[in-house]
Amino acid sequence: AQSVTQLDSHVSVSEGTPVLLRCNYSSSYSPSLFWYVQHPNKGLQLLLKYTSAATLVKGINGFEAEFKKSETSFHLTKPSAHMSDAAEYFCVVCLEGAQKLVFGQGTRLTINP
Amino acid sequence: GAGVSQSPRYKVAKRGQDVALRCDPISGHVSLFWYQQALGQGPEFLTYFQNEAQLDKSGLPSDRFFAERPEGSVSTLKIQRTQQEDSAVYLCASRGRGLAAYEQYFGPGTRLTVT
Repeated sequence: AQSVTQLDSHVSVSEGTPVLLRCNYSSSYSPSLFWYVQHPNKGLQLLLKYTSAATLVKGINGFEAEFKKSETSFHLTKPSAHMSDAAEYFCVVCLEGAQKLVFGQGTRLTINP
Repeated sequence: GAGVSQSPRYKVAKRGQDVALRCDPISGHVSLFWYQQALGQGPEFLTYFQNEAQLDKSGLPSDRFFAERPEGSVSTLKIQRTQQEDSAVYLCASRGRGLAAYEQYFGPGTRLTVT
């Protein structure tokens, strides 16, 4: 079965410093992987997607993620955190043919001034 | 254009009451999904419609949960005889025709608290 594991439930960084949110996946073949962001009282928003093309994927707001098959990882990074990045982030796998999204447990990102 | 809307945004129910949660998808979107997000957890799939047909209800946790989409647009998720473990945010998402499975647009959710 396909699943994702987010290694940190909470990450706290200072404004202007790099962000790293970790995600490992479990799949018998190359999955389609995504990162979603959820701001308080707002709907989930797609940040970026990997669908077996380039392994380094760029998303909105300066975020990017690299698919590493050898490490079964899909970590989310951003070079310089901004206060507006404070939110909950979800690593997600889409089950092939099943139409459903399978979410990780989430990582809450806090930005310190 | 308008996104996915859900109502009510907040609902408090006494244990044993029935509740109905409404989802208005993006106009013209044929696919509609319901997810349940417990506190501190990621959303979990409940059910999926294509037009008015419910194609997958494998995620519904019990027979107290029922979803419908009679005219292929608005959907209602009904929970009968609510229990405390039903407390969660219920998310609705819709997807347009021909889009990839992951291209789901989410509403803001309905936060259900069962007391």
